Amino acid sequence: EAQVTQNPRYLITVTGKKLTVTCSQNMNHEYMSWYRQDPGLGLRQIYYSMNVEVTDKGDVPEGYKVSRKEKRNFPLILESPSPNQTSLYFCASSFLRTSGFTGELFFGEGSRLTVL
Amino acid sequence: AQKVTQAQTEISVVEKEDVTLDCVYETRDTTYYLFWYKQPPSGELVFLIRRNSFDEQNEISGRYSWNFQKSTSSFNFTITASQVVDSAVYFCAQDQTGANNLFFGTGTRLTVIP
Repeated sequence: EAQVTQNPRYLITVTGKKLTVTCSQNMNHEYMSWYRQDPGLGLRQIYYSMNVEVTDKGDVPEGYKVSRKEKRNFPLILESPSPNQTSLYFCASSFLRTSGFTGELFFGEGSRLTVL
Repeated sequence: AQKVTQAQTEISVVEKEDVTLDCVYETRDTTYYLFWYKQPPSGELVFLIRRNSFDEQNEISGRYSWNFQKSTSSFNFTITASQVVDSAVYFCAQDQTGANNLFFGTGTRLTVIP
């Protein structure tokens, strides 16, 4: 079954305690991305990757890191989480056409993070 | 700057009624793509449609239809004969030129009452 898998789905942590949210896709997609969803703000992109070892900032990258060492995995790292990073996080992936980004994203089920 | 506005925050309809979700966008680009995504209670967003700015023909897929009007910068989504399974948050989005990103509206929560 084609899917994007995120872990953990739910996490409560404290300010400053490093954490990693994993994301894995089994569709051999080149493109992967992280979004956060906040009430009244819709979804905002944090980072994206066009392929292995190619990552770039989205609209709200501050406080986050990513890496893309393998095509299937795209972990999101919060080195020193703060309460304003409490949010619902989504990983997404997509194939690329010769014209580039298609916008036809496959999303994971989301990871709800609370930072106390 | 690009902007996607979904003015309807929440809509409730009774099952079998038709419902239209509004989406208004702003862009200076001449070529762009518009999208609709569905977020059911399970949480993950599901891609519904992608539309090229050069194609203003209405699209129909089963009970779903989309009306794209460049003159009013709108890309509205209609569900005919709504069902309880249509209850979800629906997001309209537009691609950000050269940014490999989608710019999402704030979403419309649709509740279909049995």
